[in-house]
Amino acid sequence: SQTIHQWPATLVQPVGSPLSLECTVEGTSNPNLYWYRQAAGRGLQLLFYSVGIGQISSEVPQNLSASRPQDRQFILSSKKLLLSDSGFYLCAWSQGWNYGYTFGSGTRLTVV
Amino acid sequence: QKEVEQNSGPLSVPEGAIASLNCTYSDRVSQSFFWYRQYSGKSPELIMSIYSNGDKEDGRFTAQLNKASQYVSLLIRDSQPSDSATYLCAVKGDQAGTALIFGKGTTLSVSS
Repeated sequence: SQTIHQWPATLVQPVGSPLSLECTVEGTSNPNLYWYRQAAGRGLQLLFYSVGIGQISSEVPQNLSASRPQDRQFILSSKKLLLSDSGFYLCAWSQGWNYGYTFGSGTRLTVV
Repeated sequence: QKEVEQNSGPLSVPEGAIASLNCTYSDRVSQSFFWYRQYSGKSPELIMSIYSNGDKEDGRFTAQLNKASQYVSLLIRDSQPSDSATYLCAVKGDQAGTALIFGKGTTLSVSS
């Protein structure tokens, strides 16, 4: 069966510090991978998605970036965090475009 | 801007009643529709998917889709306190390169 791992679960970072969140999927190959952010009082906002190694599509211009160095690994990064980057970051995968997504357990990021 | 709209609630129902959750979407050519359940502090969990007009039943859950009215709903029969959560509607457009768009969710509270 397929599983998705996301870490860390919680993170408190100062403004201006770097960020690296990692997500890995097991039990499948060539998944579609996604990064979403859920801020308080707001819905799930799509940040990035990837259909293959090295292929990243960005949905929202911001100080975040994503990379997919391996087939089942997806990384979200920032060089300098802003207060507005606080939120619940969720990684997800799907078998293809018309399938539902399976989410990881999420990372709650607080920028102070 | 493609949108998915949900009443934020809270929707309060007594235990054993039917809970009805509604969602409208703006993209007329949307093809795939999903309902997710999100408990407080947790990541969303896929509970239903529907692709064709009509009803789809899975246990106590029934998803209903009306593409002409651009409307999708979720019925929960015999509601239980454990159903208390936020329910997210998600919609997928007809193009391969588009990801799910989520509504902000409806909070359901089931009282015992």
